[in-house]
Amino acid sequence: GAGVSQSPSNKVTEKGKDVELRCDPISGHTALYWYRQRLGQGLEFLIYFQGNSAPDKSGLPSDRFSAERTGESVSTLTIQRTQQEDSAVYLCASSRFWNTEAFFGQGTRLTVV
Amino acid sequence: GDSVTQMEGPVTLSEEAFLTINCTYTATGYPSLFWYVQYPGEGLQLLLKATKADDKGSNKGFEATYRKETTSFHLEKGSVQVSDSAVYFCALNRVESGGSNYKLTFGKGTLLTVNP
Repeated sequence: GAGVSQSPSNKVTEKGKDVELRCDPISGHTALYWYRQRLGQGLEFLIYFQGNSAPDKSGLPSDRFSAERTGESVSTLTIQRTQQEDSAVYLCASSRFWNTEAFFGQGTRLTVV
Repeated sequence: GDSVTQMEGPVTLSEEAFLTINCTYTATGYPSLFWYVQYPGEGLQLLLKATKADDKGSNKGFEATYRKETTSFHLEKGSVQVSDSAVYFCALNRVESGGSNYKLTFGKGTLLTVNP
């Protein structure tokens, strides 16, 4: 596709439910990043993928969070047993190389009620 | 680990004022440095970048020079406009050991408001 696509754009879920967030990166981009942005806050690194591997998972807040990437393409971020503090915008980005521009999706706004 | 420190905002300026947003970094090796901008209601987009020491990135009247001796990449603009109101993020990326892995690290962002 032309850009990084994320779905859904908005998600409202009840506390305790599981959610899946999807990211379609730009074709050919080997690196894929997930960030979380709480209201009025900066970007919190969650995880990144090089190909289908995740060399750095250090940013995942708890074992309720997991992510995978398949076919060096689509990535899914899963949050189990959601809590209210999980409410945020989840941003995905991809880049071709380490020193080139990262392109961001529009994000998924997650609200846990 | 890698880190990026930006001046805390918010920054409020009048139109045509001079802008500086400070950014310093901590990283081993030779990172590439970036400024990203997030306009109200929009996604993040690259503003400018520099990939080696002494490089100057520039775009839309904004400039930043990669200073390895001071580990800095300060963003400047000589005359800001109302349309420059946005959140600005400094970031770095570098190759980790082995040359196959890299991560993009962001600062916390600086909110700029330009008044007419």
